[in-house]
Amino acid sequence: GEDVEQSLFLSVREGDSSVINCTYTDSSSTYLYWYKQEPGAGLQLLTYIFSNMDMKQDQRLTVLLNKKDKHLSLRIADTQTGDSAIYFCAERRRLMDSNYQLIWGAGTKLIIKP
Amino acid sequence: EAGVTQSPTHLIKTRGQQATLRCSPISGHTSVYWYQQALGLGLQFLLWYDEGEERNRGNFPPRFSGRQFPNYSSELNVNALELEDSALYLCASGRRRTRLELRPETQYFGPGTRLLVL
Repeated sequence: GEDVEQSLFLSVREGDSSVINCTYTDSSSTYLYWYKQEPGAGLQLLTYIFSNMDMKQDQRLTVLLNKKDKHLSLRIADTQTGDSAIYFCAERRRLMDSNYQLIWGAGTKLIIKP
Repeated sequence: EAGVTQSPTHLIKTRGQQATLRCSPISGHTSVYWYQQALGLGLQFLLWYDEGEERNRGNFPPRFSGRQFPNYSSELNVNALELEDSALYLCASGRRRTRLELRPETQYFGPGTRLLVL
Protein backbone atom coordinates (compact mmCIF):
# COMPACT_ATOMS: atom_id res chain seq x y z
CA GLY A 1 0.00 0.00 0.00
CA GLU A 2 0.92 3.65 0.02
CA ASP A 3 0.54 4.25 3.73
CA VAL A 4 3.11 5.17 6.31
CA GLU A 5 2.00 3.35 9.43
CA GLN A 6 2.36 4.21 13.10
CA SER A 7 0.69 3.11 16.30
CA LEU A 8 -1.85 5.69 17.43
CA PHE A 9 -0.87 5.78 21.11
CA LEU A 10 2.13 5.15 23.33
CA SER A 11 2.06 5.47 27.11
CA VAL A 12 5.29 5.65 29.13
CA ARG A 13 6.32 6.64 32.63
CA GLU A 14 8.18 9.86 33.20
CA GLY A 15 11.91 9.15 33.15
CA ASP A 16 11.61 6.01 31.01
CA SER A 17 12.57 5.80 27.36
CA SER A 18 9.90 6.14 24.69
CA VAL A 19 10.19 4.27 21.42
CA ILE A 20 7.88 5.32 18.62
CA ASN A 21 7.82 3.06 15.59
CA CYS A 22 6.96 3.68 11.97
CA THR A 23 6.91 1.58 8.83
CA TYR A 24 7.11 3.14 5.39
CA THR A 25 6.55 1.76 1.96
CA ASP A 26 8.92 3.17 -0.63
CA SER A 27 12.36 1.59 -0.47
CA SER A 28 13.72 4.37 -2.67
CA SER A 29 12.74 7.09 -0.21
CA THR A 30 15.92 8.99 0.59
CA TYR A 31 14.88 10.94 3.66
CA LEU A 32 12.67 10.08 6.59
CA TYR A 33 11.44 12.61 9.10
CA TRP A 34 10.06 12.90 12.57
CA TYR A 35 7.81 15.85 13.39
CA LYS A 36 6.30 16.79 16.73
CA GLN A 37 2.91 18.43 17.25
CA GLU A 38 2.21 19.85 20.68
CA PRO A 39 -1.40 20.50 21.72
CA GLY A 40 -2.94 23.37 19.80
CA ALA A 41 0.17 23.95 17.69
CA GLY A 42 1.45 23.23 14.23
CA LEU A 43 4.09 20.64 13.44
CA GLN A 44 7.73 21.13 14.28
CA LEU A 45 10.58 19.24 12.63
CA LEU A 46 12.41 17.15 15.24
CA THR A 47 14.94 15.32 13.15
CA TYR A 48 15.48 13.56 9.87
CA ILE A 49 17.67 10.72 8.68
CA PHE A 50 19.18 10.00 5.30
CA SER A 51 18.58 6.52 3.96
CA ASN A 52 22.26 5.57 3.90
CA MET A 53 22.42 5.93 7.68
CA ASP A 54 21.41 3.35 10.28
CA MET A 55 21.31 5.67 13.23
CA LYS A 56 21.28 9.32 14.09
CA GLN A 57 21.57 10.73 17.59
CA ASP A 58 20.71 14.23 18.73
CA GLN A 59 20.78 14.78 22.50
CA ARG A 60 17.89 12.73 23.93
CA LEU A 61 16.68 11.65 20.50
CA THR A 62 17.90 8.56 18.66
CA VAL A 63 16.59 7.61 15.24
CA LEU A 64 17.09 4.05 14.02
CA LEU A 65 16.53 3.06 10.42
CA ASN A 66 16.18 -0.51 9.17
CA LYS A 67 16.07 -0.04 5.45
CA LYS A 68 15.61 -3.74 4.70
CA ASP A 69 12.41 -3.86 6.74
CA LYS A 70 11.45 -0.25 5.94
CA HIS A 71 11.20 0.42 9.64
CA LEU A 72 11.99 3.69 11.39
CA SER A 73 11.97 4.37 15.10
CA LEU A 74 12.37 7.38 17.34
CA ARG A 75 13.71 6.83 20.83
CA ILE A 76 13.33 9.58 23.42
CA ALA A 77 15.55 9.03 26.44
CA ASP A 78 14.47 10.18 29.91
CA THR A 79 10.97 11.10 28.75
CA GLN A 80 9.65 14.29 30.32
CA THR A 81 6.15 15.73 30.60
CA GLY A 82 7.13 18.28 27.96
CA ASP A 83 7.52 15.43 25.50
CA SER A 84 3.74 14.90 25.52
CA ALA A 85 2.74 15.43 21.92
CA ILE A 86 1.79 13.69 18.72
CA TYR A 87 4.79 12.43 16.78
CA PHE A 88 4.52 12.11 13.01
CA CYS A 89 6.70 10.01 10.80
CA ALA A 90 7.04 11.05 7.15
CA GLU A 91 8.87 9.69 4.14
CA ARG A 92 10.10 11.77 1.24
CA ARG A 93 8.76 10.08 -1.85
CA ARG A 94 9.67 10.87 -5.39
CA LEU A 95 6.80 11.61 -7.71
CA MET A 96 6.62 10.64 -11.36
CA ASP A 97 7.48 14.19 -12.43
CA SER A 98 10.67 14.07 -10.32
CA ASN A 99 9.29 16.33 -7.65
CA TYR A 100 9.11 15.11 -4.08
CA GLN A 101 6.26 14.80 -1.65
CA LEU A 102 6.17 13.99 2.02
CA ILE A 103 3.93 11.03 2.85
CA TRP A 104 2.76 11.17 6.45
CA GLY A 105 1.85 8.64 9.07
CA ALA A 106 -1.25 9.17 11.21
CA GLY A 107 0.81 10.21 14.21
CA THR A 108 1.52 8.57 17.56
CA LYS A 109 0.20 10.30 20.64
CA LEU A 110 2.77 10.03 23.42
CA ILE A 111 1.18 9.99 26.86
CA ILE A 112 3.40 10.50 29.90
CA LYS A 113 2.41 8.90 33.18
CA PRO A 114 3.76 10.43 36.40
CA GLU B 1 12.63 35.45 11.09
CA ALA B 2 8.84 35.32 11.10
CA GLY B 3 7.31 31.88 10.84
CA VAL B 4 4.44 30.66 8.74
CA THR B 5 1.26 32.53 9.59
CA GLN B 6 -2.29 31.46 9.00
CA SER B 7 -5.59 33.26 9.30
CA PRO B 8 -8.10 33.08 10.72
CA THR B 9 -7.20 30.93 13.72
CA HIS B 10 -10.77 29.72 14.01
CA LEU B 11 -13.62 29.69 11.53
CA ILE B 12 -17.21 28.63 12.04
CA LYS B 13 -19.42 28.02 9.02
CA THR B 14 -22.64 26.20 8.22
CA ARG B 15 -23.19 23.45 5.70
CA GLY B 16 -23.21 24.65 2.12
CA GLN B 17 -21.21 27.80 2.79
CA GLN B 18 -17.74 28.55 1.50
CA ALA B 19 -14.59 28.95 3.58
CA THR B 20 -11.42 30.80 2.68
CA LEU B 21 -8.23 30.12 4.61
CA ARG B 22 -5.03 32.08 4.19
CA CYS B 23 -1.38 31.31 4.62
CA SER B 24 1.77 33.42 4.48
CA PRO B 25 4.98 31.46 4.06
CA ILE B 26 8.34 32.21 5.56
CA SER B 27 10.15 34.90 3.64
CA GLY B 28 12.17 33.32 0.84
CA HIS B 29 10.05 30.19 0.65
CA THR B 30 8.31 29.56 -2.64
CA SER B 31 6.39 26.41 -1.79
CA VAL B 32 3.17 26.21 0.18
CA TYR B 33 1.56 22.95 1.25
CA TRP B 34 -1.94 22.52 2.61
CA TYR B 35 -2.97 19.66 4.87
CA GLN B 36 -6.17 18.61 6.56
CA GLN B 37 -5.96 17.14 10.03
CA ALA B 38 -9.32 15.80 11.11
CA LEU B 39 -9.85 14.91 14.75
CA GLY B 40 -8.06 11.67 15.55
CA LEU B 41 -6.60 11.35 12.08
CA GLY B 42 -3.20 12.09 10.67
CA LEU B 43 -2.23 14.63 8.11
CA GLN B 44 -3.99 14.33 4.81
CA PHE B 45 -2.21 16.11 2.00
CA LEU B 46 -4.43 18.56 0.13
CA LEU B 47 -2.43 20.75 -2.21
CA TRP B 48 1.07 21.85 -3.04
CA TYR B 49 1.85 25.17 -4.71
CA ASP B 50 5.22 26.33 -5.88
CA GLU B 51 6.11 29.44 -7.83
CA GLY B 52 2.44 30.22 -8.30
CA GLU B 53 1.49 26.86 -9.80
CA GLU B 54 -0.31 23.86 -8.41
CA ARG B 55 2.30 21.07 -8.36
CA ASN B 56 0.36 18.26 -6.79
CA ARG B 57 -3.02 17.50 -5.37
CA GLY B 58 -4.20 15.01 -2.77
CA ASN B 59 -7.24 12.79 -2.94
CA PHE B 60 -9.83 15.46 -2.23
CA PRO B 61 -12.88 16.53 -4.25
CA PRO B 62 -12.71 19.57 -6.56
CA ARG B 63 -14.58 21.74 -4.07
CA PHE B 64 -11.21 22.00 -2.33
CA SER B 65 -9.19 24.47 -4.34
CA GLY B 66 -6.63 27.14 -3.85
CA ARG B 67 -4.15 29.46 -5.37
CA GLN B 68 -0.78 31.00 -4.74
CA PHE B 69 -0.18 34.69 -5.20
CA PRO B 70 2.92 36.41 -6.65
CA ASN B 71 4.16 37.09 -3.11
CA TYR B 72 3.90 33.30 -2.48
CA SER B 73 1.09 33.59 0.04
CA SER B 74 -1.74 31.19 -0.57
CA GLU B 75 -5.46 30.71 -0.13
CA LEU B 76 -7.36 27.51 0.37
CA ASN B 77 -11.01 27.60 -0.62
CA VAL B 78 -13.53 25.00 0.40
CA ASN B 79 -16.88 25.26 -1.34
CA ALA B 80 -20.19 23.64 -0.42
CA LEU B 81 -18.97 22.86 3.08
CA GLU B 82 -19.91 19.54 4.62
CA LEU B 83 -19.89 18.54 8.26
CA GLU B 84 -16.92 16.25 7.74
CA ASP B 85 -14.83 19.19 6.53
CA SER B 86 -14.49 20.19 10.18
CA ALA B 87 -10.79 19.88 10.88
CA LEU B 88 -7.55 21.67 11.55
CA TYR B 89 -6.12 22.95 8.28
CA LEU B 90 -2.37 23.27 8.35
CA CYS B 91 -0.22 25.21 5.97
CA ALA B 92 3.49 24.57 5.58
CA SER B 93 6.08 26.38 3.55
CA GLY B 94 9.35 25.23 2.11
CA ARG B 95 12.14 26.36 -0.07
CA ARG B 96 12.40 24.70 -3.46
CA ARG B 97 15.71 22.94 -3.53
CA THR B 98 17.88 22.28 -6.52
CA ARG B 99 19.17 18.84 -7.34
CA LEU B 100 22.63 19.86 -6.17
CA GLU B 101 21.54 20.65 -2.64
CA LEU B 102 22.18 17.67 -0.43
CA ARG B 103 20.14 18.52 2.62
CA PRO B 104 16.48 17.68 2.36
CA GLU B 105 13.81 20.28 2.02
CA THR B 106 12.01 20.89 5.27
CA GLN B 107 8.43 21.94 5.66
CA TYR B 108 7.76 24.58 8.28
CA PHE B 109 4.26 24.55 9.64
CA GLY B 110 1.92 27.31 10.69
CA PRO B 111 -0.35 26.99 13.73
CA GLY B 112 -3.36 26.05 11.61
CA THR B 113 -6.91 27.23 11.10
CA ARG B 114 -9.53 25.29 12.95
CA LEU B 115 -12.65 25.04 10.80
CA LEU B 116 -15.92 24.01 12.34
CA VAL B 117 -18.87 23.27 10.07
CA LEU B 118 -22.27 23.23 11.76
